[in-house]
Amino acid sequence: AQKVTQAQTEISVVEKEDVTLDCVYETRDTTYYLFWYKQPPSGELVFLIRRNSFDEQNEISGRYSWNFQKSTSSFNFTITASQVVDSAVYFCALSEKGGATNKLIFGTGTLLAVQP
Amino acid sequence: DGGITQSPKYLFRKEGQNVTLSCEQNLNHDAMYWYRQDPGQGLRLIYYSQIVNDFQKGDIAEGYSVSREKKESFPLTVTSAQKNPTAFYLCASRPGEIDEQYFGPGTRLTVT
Repeated sequence: AQKVTQAQTEISVVEKEDVTLDCVYETRDTTYYLFWYKQPPSGELVFLIRRNSFDEQNEISGRYSWNFQKSTSSFNFTITASQVVDSAVYFCALSEKGGATNKLIFGTGTLLAVQP
Repeated sequence: DGGITQSPKYLFRKEGQNVTLSCEQNLNHDAMYWYRQDPGQGLRLIYYSQIVNDFQKGDIAEGYSVSREKKESFPLTVTSAQKNPTAFYLCASRPGEIDEQYFGPGTRLTVT
C-alpha cells in the first residue's frame, strides 16, 4: 500500500537557520511521483515541486532544495536561511503513474514556525 | 486570471442540513478533486472526476455527493448523513495525466 510519513509534526527555528523537513514514502510501484506543497495560514495549498521516480538528481530553487534518495525511500526538503514568510504547514505527497485517478497520497504535514 | 475559486470561504450550518460547496476553475483542466482536511491531518480524497459527467468515490465518500455537469464546475454536497462534517474542504484540478494538482483557497465548514 502507498503511504507517506512525515514524522516531524512541528519544527520551530529562528530566522536564518537552515531547516530540513523529512518525508519517507512507501510504494510497490517502480514509477511514481513525489510532490511537496506549502500551506500558509490562508489555507490554500501551493505547489512547490514534483519529482519522478527515475530522476534522483537533487534540485535547488533559490533557498529551497530537495534531496531524493530511492535507496532510503526519502524525499527531504531543505530551506536555507529560513525567513518568517516560510512559516507554514508543508506536505509531502505521492502519486503512482498509471493509476486511473492520479490520486495524491498526503503525509500528515509538518508545521514549520520561523521565529524572527 | 486563471485559477480555482471556492466559495464561500467560511460556511456555517445546522446539523441535519445539506450544504453545497462550490468549486469553479477556468484553467481548462479535465480532472477535478475534492479533499477534506482535519486538524493535524493530511488531506483525504472524497471524490474525483476525470471528465465531464463522470466521477468516482475517493477514500471517504460516505455522506458526500458531487456532480460534474460542466468542465469548469465540480460542486460538493455535504449531506446530513455525514457524521462529522466540520472540516476544511479543498478543491483541486489537474491539467494532464501526470501533472501536479492545483488547489483552490478552501472552504471551512462548521456544523453545529
